[in-house]
Amino acid sequence: EVQLVQSGGGLVQPGGSLRLSCAASGFPFSNFWMHWVRQAPGKGLVCVSRIDTTGYTSYAHSVEGRFTISRDNAKNTLYLQMSSLTVEDTGVYYCARGTTDWPGRDYWGQGTLVTVSS
Amino acid sequence: DIVLTQTPLSSPVTLGQPASIFCRSSQSLVHSDGNTYLSWLQQRPGQPPRLLIYKISNRFSGVPDRFSGSGAGTDFTLRISRVEAEDVGVYYCVQTTQYPDTFGQGTKLEIK
Repeated sequence: EVQLVQSGGGLVQPGGSLRLSCAASGFPFSNFWMHWVRQAPGKGLVCVSRIDTTGYTSYAHSVEGRFTISRDNAKNTLYLQMSSLTVEDTGVYYCARGTTDWPGRDYWGQGTLVTVSS
Repeated sequence: DIVLTQTPLSSPVTLGQPASIFCRSSQSLVHSDGNTYLSWLQQRPGQPPRLLIYKISNRFSGVPDRFSGSGAGTDFTLRISRVEAEDVGVYYCVQTTQYPDTFGQGTKLEIK
């Protein structure tokens, strides 16, 4: 069974940093692209970042230079290092597994809340 | 970026009746490989999104056959043949034809 278990959210002050984790199981993690998607309170879904199987990364313009996606294939874990956080970064962050035969995401983590507030 | 516009934004439906949600793209979603990468997600209250439909009309694993997708080019439809109580939630269309992937604003399905 594919499982994505997230951790690392919480309350942080503006300008602060936070690292999110997403522990994967039930599939060969190193063979899959992985994604982070954000949902601001009461709002829709926005892609934040993605990483392919080679480690190549992409970011939304709003987080480029502040967020870093990475993966540890030995630990089957995806990370999102967030720095210089602003109130606009507040929301639930979901990790998601990329599909192999078409561009998209099939399985999603449970989400972790990040609140940026003074 | 491609903009996806969903209608309606809210859909009150009677149990057992059909429901349709529409998604219009600001440009064609036909990829250079000939495929159209338009998917539908369901988000039940307090839950993460769940993939329902991919490539316009393919049901993902475990999705009931009362869910179906159709469309082409810029106009797409998600149809629920007979709404059940567990279908309550927000439905999103999402395009992955062109980076960055973009989502519709969501349609809230509720029971009358």
